[in-house]
Amino acid sequence: GAGVSQSPSNKVTEKGKDVELRCDPISGHTALYWYRQRLGQGLEFLIYFQGNSAPDKSGLPSDRFSAERTGESVSTLTIQRTQQEDSAVYLCASSLRTSGRGQETQYFGPGTRLLVL
Amino acid sequence: KNEVEQSPQNLTAQEGEFITINCSYSVGISALHWLQQHPGGGIVSLFMLSSGKKKHGRLIATINIQEKHSSLHITASHPRDSAVYICAVRFENTGNQFYFGTGTSLTVIP
Repeated sequence: GAGVSQSPSNKVTEKGKDVELRCDPISGHTALYWYRQRLGQGLEFLIYFQGNSAPDKSGLPSDRFSAERTGESVSTLTIQRTQQEDSAVYLCASSLRTSGRGQETQYFGPGTRLLVL
Repeated sequence: KNEVEQSPQNLTAQEGEFITINCSYSVGISALHWLQQHPGGGIVSLFMLSSGKKKHGRLIATINIQEKHSSLHITASHPRDSAVYICAVRFENTGNQFYFGTGTSLTVIP
């Protein structure tokens, strides 16, 4: 079946503009994660959605970052007033269900490469 | 403090060699994942460990909960194993957040 998809694959924007990144998880996956990977650095957790529960936003770096997910479908990550330090690959991952202990396999999307000029 | 450390950062091996990548973490965990990131950027989950040992093909992953340490082994390495290997940890005290090692860049030379 189809894997996790993300769009756009690449995005170039000017400093100060808003951007919206999209993630389509695998159908039936209740859990969805957003991560950021800056050039030459490790992955950073941003936000976690599980079903209709309130999202875990503990990884969002500033109030310019927000994310939404409707039910168990598409998620969007929005970055307002982009800064050059926001340049990174933004990765989305989904998993079938969660035991609450993080033991489920995560399936990663190909990422969106964001460049802020 | 929740920390994940991987070693080595870079590793070059001849085809056929046995490879070990290490991951240490600071406090108790509920899960540890090994991920593989290909040169094009795609990430694949290899293993989830909460205890013991798992094997898949030429890959073996072990975890020692008491020592807070995990290893990923590759037997009979092949050039197609060249990738970045990442350790990801879910600590018991941090809710849903995962913490990642900086990755080990492996190059296997024919």
